[in-house]
Amino acid sequence: NAGVTQTPKFQVLKTGQSMTLQCAQDMNHEYMSWYRQDPGMGLRLIHYSVGAGITDQGEVPNGYNVSRSTTEDFPLRLLSAAPSQTSVYFCASSYSSGWGTSTDTQYFGPGTRLTVL
Amino acid sequence: GENVEQHPSTLSVQEGDSAVIKCTYSDSASNYFPWYKQELGKRPQLIIDIRSNVGEKKDQRIAVTLNKTAKHFSLHITETQPEDSAVYFCAATQSGTYKYIFGTGTRLKVLA
Repeated sequence: NAGVTQTPKFQVLKTGQSMTLQCAQDMNHEYMSWYRQDPGMGLRLIHYSVGAGITDQGEVPNGYNVSRSTTEDFPLRLLSAAPSQTSVYFCASSYSSGWGTSTDTQYFGPGTRLTVL
Repeated sequence: GENVEQHPSTLSVQEGDSAVIKCTYSDSASNYFPWYKQELGKRPQLIIDIRSNVGEKKDQRIAVTLNKTAKHFSLHITETQPEDSAVYFCAATQSGTYKYIFGTGTRLKVLA
């Protein structure tokens, strides 16, 4: 298994440009999430999905869109990039323990370093 | 919603000493608490986790304790080694929502 993969690894955008960060997993995990990591602020949840066709907002959703058309893929779209979106973006996936109220181990992708000029 | 606070932000210990990192959470419904280690330029990786029905869990030199009444959980690393140097993050789930909320991280430096 490749696990969780992300593309691209690095990206430089100009203010106002749009782009899509790709995330895929081959572990048949139900749950997928996007985080951004900024110095001193840890990992902040942007959007997450509990299954194909179902997405919800996290702590910092503004300026980002997501969709989940398949179990494997969970792309993150930046509609109009701003310098405040300069960050390292991590995608993660996990599976349910089956007991209905908690998730198990979360696996992270390698990250995408995004710079917005 | 859930809020997770993590202390200290930086921690330096001598090789062979113990290190303790503490997190507090706000949502009493949270029931799963993982700890992640992130080396420079790498992805976060799970090192240990604990569920709310357990008070302590150990894995070799690493242990996690949970106090549900006080709503805090701690990571304990014994006999620290230089390779333990990294940033450590705690997290908590909001029960039923499958959202992980992370602490702000602790940079651990193990001095040889």
